[in-house]
Amino acid sequence: AQSVAQPEDQVNVAEGNPLTVKCTYSVSGNPYLFWYVQYPNRGLQFLLKYITGDNLVKGSYGFEAEFNKSQTSFHLKKPSALVSDSALYFCAVRVATPLNDYKLSFGAGTTVTVRA
Amino acid sequence: AAGVIQSPRHLIKEKRETATLKCYPIPRHDTVYWYQQGPGQDPQFLISFYEKMQSDKGSIPDRFSAQQFSDYHSELNMSSLELGDSALYFCASSSRLSGGAYNEQFFGPGTRLTVL
Repeated sequence: AQSVAQPEDQVNVAEGNPLTVKCTYSVSGNPYLFWYVQYPNRGLQFLLKYITGDNLVKGSYGFEAEFNKSQTSFHLKKPSALVSDSALYFCAVRVATPLNDYKLSFGAGTTVTVRA
Repeated sequence: AAGVIQSPRHLIKEKRETATLKCYPIPRHDTVYWYQQGPGQDPQFLISFYEKMQSDKGSIPDRFSAQQFSDYHSELNMSSLELGDSALYFCASSSRLSGGAYNEQFFGPGTRLTVL
């Protein structure tokens, strides 16, 4: 089964420091991976995706993610975190459905807290 | 840019009542997905529709049903509500035409259902 795992429930960093949110995947075939962010009482916002091509993917709000096939990882990174980055982050993998569509299977989520 | 619209944003029901959640996808999006996010949980896929046909079904109880209409909006109907149905229900939309099966899903703000 296609799945992703987020090994950390919480990540705490100081503003201005690098931020890394970890995600590992278990996929048969080529993985199609996504990162979403959820602010309190808000919907899920798309950050970035990896389909194919460069292993370093750049996304919204200064975030990027590195796809590492040998380590089956897709960690989300930001060089300099902001207090406003405090939110719940979900890694997700595409799972094919019978009618050539797909659904998303999410990790458990990682709560990021950036302190001023 | 237009986003996914969900109504109502908040809904309070008693046990054994029924509820109808509505989702209006981004214009020209042809695929709609429903997810359920319990308290402190990751979103779980319920059901999806492409061109008014059910394309996949996840962990959706038999008490729930959904459909997609000719204008592409979708409704999730929930009957005999139980306390455990209290959750945030997300709708997402995507377009096969513009991005194929690789296109990201755009999420609405969610409907928070509370069953008392």
